[in-house]
Order: sequence, then C-alpha cells, then structure tokens
Amino acid sequence: QVQLVESGGGLVQPGGSLRLSCSGSGFDFGDYQMTWIRQTPEEGLEWLAYISGPGTTIYYRDSVKGRFIISRDNAKKSLFLQMNNLRAEDTAVYYCARAWGIDVVSLHFDYWGQGTLMTVSS
Amino acid sequence: QSVVTQPPSASETPGQRVTISCSGSFSNIGTNTVDWYQQLPETAPKLLIYNNDQRPSGVPSRFSGSKSGTSASLAISGLHSEDEALYFCAVWDNRLSGPVFGGGTKLSVL
Repeated sequence: QVQLVESGGGLVQPGGSLRLSCSGSGFDFGDYQMTWIRQTPEEGLEWLAYISGPGTTIYYRDSVKGRFIISRDNAKKSLFLQMNNLRAEDTAVYYCARAWGIDVVSLHFDYWGQGTLMTVSS
Repeated sequence: QSVVTQPPSASETPGQRVTISCSGSFSNIGTNTVDWYQQLPETAPKLLIYNNDQRPSGVPSRFSGSKSGTSASLAISGLHSEDEALYFCAVWDNRLSGPVFGGGTKLSVL
C-alpha cells in the first residue's frame, strides 16, 4: 500500500536551517508529483511547494520563496524540503503529500504522510 | 485569513444530514475545481472529494460535493459518530498561483 513517511523535524533556532525528508513506498515514486504542506492551529493548512515527477518543474508559496528548496531523488524514492532562515512563524507540522491531476491547477493530494513537527524557537 | 472561507464549526445528530460551505471568489472557486479533505483527530488529512463532486475509491456515497459559482459545499448524509472531524476545502487560486485551503470546519456529531 502507498506509504509516505516524513522525518527530520525538531527544534531549531530562529535563523537556522533544517532539512525534512519524505520516503515513499508502495507506488512508482518517480511517476508522481509531490508537495509539502504544513499545518498550524493559527493558519490551518498551507501549501508550501510542488515538484513534478521528474523534478523539472517546481513552484513555491510566496512566503517561502528564496528560503525553502524542494527536491527529490527518485532513485531513492525520497522527497526533501531544505528550509533556511527559519522564523517562529514557520513552526508547524509538515506533511509531504502525493499529488495528481491533469494540470497543476487541479492538483489533488491523495496520500499524506503522518507529519513531522518543526519548532522554531530560541 | 484564508481566501476561501468556511464556517468554523457545524453540528448535527446521528443519522441526519449536514452541509458545510466553502466560499471563495472568481480567482479560485469561480474558475477551478474544489477538493474536500477530512482530518480525523491526530491523523493526516484524507482526500474525500475531488473535482467538485467526485469520490475517490473507498469513500462512502454518504459524502457528496457540489459547486455553484464562487461557492462549494460538502454534504454528509446519515451522519455517524465517526464522521466527527475537521473538514477542509481546497482549490487553486489564480492570483496566488497555488492551492489554498479553507480554514476548516469542525464537525460535531452530537
């Protein structure tokens, strides 16, 4: 069955960096678009970044452009999110999610990982 | 503040029908299709409805979606206690160039 497992969350200081990983199994990882989504009690669910199956097309939410980098290693069935210059408001549960759709404006997130908590605090 | 708006809460008794609304604008719901997600306590969201009214395999027919103009709705009939959850709508926003989620509606089955 399809499984997504995130790792790499934890406590980081403001201005610091962290790299999240997401390992996929039970499906042809390289055939699927992938995304990162975060959730906080205050802001709810926020889409952060998108990467196409081959990794050639990438989109970001405006508030993380220039700070977050999404990437993937299809041979290792892994998705990554490099987060730099972290702020307190980046504190959230971070989910990776598999996405499908005929085009990017009709993306559907059909499988989600269990989430990993990242806390930005001194 | 999300660009698509949901009521923060809804409640109904078991066996009854409840409707959850999602209100947006031309740049999102008025132009693009809407998805709905269910988040049970302490779990990740699960895709419930896609393309306004389509159910993924395994989702009971008690769940249905619709869209009209710049609003969308999720209806749940024959409510069960296990339907108590957070429900989110999601849609691409052309102005923000990305998917946006509604703030979520907490459904209580009394």
